[in-house]
Amino acid sequence: QKEVEQNSGPLSVPEGAIASLNCTYSDRGSQSFFWYRQYSGKSPELIMSIYSNGDKEDGRFTAQLNKASQYVSLLIRDSQPSDSATYLCAVSSSASKIIFGSGTRLSIRP
Amino acid sequence: GAVVSQHPSWVICKSGTSVKIECRSLDFQATTMFWYRQFPKQSLMLMATSNEGSKATYEQGVEKDKFLINHASLTLSTLTVTSAHPEDSSFYICSARDRTSRETQYFGPGTRLLVL
Repeated sequence: QKEVEQNSGPLSVPEGAIASLNCTYSDRGSQSFFWYRQYSGKSPELIMSIYSNGDKEDGRFTAQLNKASQYVSLLIRDSQPSDSATYLCAVSSSASKIIFGSGTRLSIRP
Repeated sequence: GAVVSQHPSWVICKSGTSVKIECRSLDFQATTMFWYRQFPKQSLMLMATSNEGSKATYEQGVEKDKFLINHASLTLSTLTVTSAHPEDSSFYICSARDRTSRETQYFGPGTRLLVL
């Protein structure tokens, strides 16, 4: 079992809709959770971090964390073509090492 | 957010030469930096963890004599690809961990290496 799992996609969402990206992790001692966006040919860019159960909103982005289910998600409201990218889930393990998922490719169709 | 720079952004070299890539944290101190490699359409692959003032920790399968890492200060880590070969051509990305920000990692813009 991978330590951080994501569906590789591609996930295709119409413009203006909500895109929902999911991630599960195996280390119950994990404390910090991150979402990065990576455009093709570019390096990853941090877009959200979340540390406690519940929702955290920042503009069109909402991160959701459920430690009991070992599940973290990212919702993108009013999806735009510029949101088309690969989204990486990252989890800080109990050993202070950040583990990245392999990423979900998101495509927003006009 | 915190800023991490990398230099050069791209480099073309002949087979057999060595290439040095610099990674700098510009507005925070990074006791730990990470080096990744990414091939086209593939995931990030962690190569090594660089700790200031001590030897780097390499991931399984990464040759430490080929990929030399030096982390001499709290804001600078370097990766030297020694005796580069065409199969070393890749996108090399560093990241730096900001301990004051719940261990968040910030990525540099990456260095694209092409070995001819």
